[in-house]
Amino acid sequence: AQSVTQPDIHITVSEGASLELRCNYSYGATPYLFWYVQSPGQGLQLLLKYFSGDTLVQGIKGFEAEFKRSQSSFNLRKPSVHWSDAAEYFCAVGSYGNKLVFGAGTILRVKS
Amino acid sequence: NAGVTQTPKFRVLKTGQSMTLLCAQDMNHEYMYWYRQDPGMGLRLIHYSVGEGTTAKGEVPDGYNVSRLKKQNFLLGLESAAPSQTSVYFCASRLSGASYEQYFGPGTRLTVT
Repeated sequence: AQSVTQPDIHITVSEGASLELRCNYSYGATPYLFWYVQSPGQGLQLLLKYFSGDTLVQGIKGFEAEFKRSQSSFNLRKPSVHWSDAAEYFCAVGSYGNKLVFGAGTILRVKS
Repeated sequence: NAGVTQTPKFRVLKTGQSMTLLCAQDMNHEYMYWYRQDPGMGLRLIHYSVGEGTTAKGEVPDGYNVSRLKKQNFLLGLESAAPSQTSVYFCASRLSGASYEQYFGPGTRLTVT
């Protein structure tokens, strides 16, 4: 069965520092991969997605992610974090039956 | 274009009471989904629909029922609420086809006492 692992439950970074959120997936074929962000009390907003082609994908708000098939990873990165990036981030993989399977999420705290 | 809307935003139920959550989308999407979100568990799929008049079970369907009588609406029902159903419920929708991208509503926070 498809699964997504986000190893870090919480991450704290200083404002202006770089960020990397980890995501590992389990899927038999070429995956469709997503990163969503959820601000407190809000719904989920799509940051970026990977379907095929260039393994480095750009998203909104200055985020990017790199698909590495050999490592079954799709890590999210940002060069310089802003206080407004504090939120919960979810990695997801497209699954058989038109579904998404989500990771447990990583809560990002930004300290000034 | 409102996207995906959910009604109500908050609700408190007593154990054994029933209620229906409404999800509406104005994007003419074929697929609609209901998830629940609990701390440390991400989003878990309750039920979904691939078109008007169709529904299917997801990962955690027990205690919930759904209906999709109109393409734009997807209803989630709790017949006899239990404290274990205290959660935040999200609805999502997407177009059919190769893209799995889902669009989410703002959520409904349900507390069962």
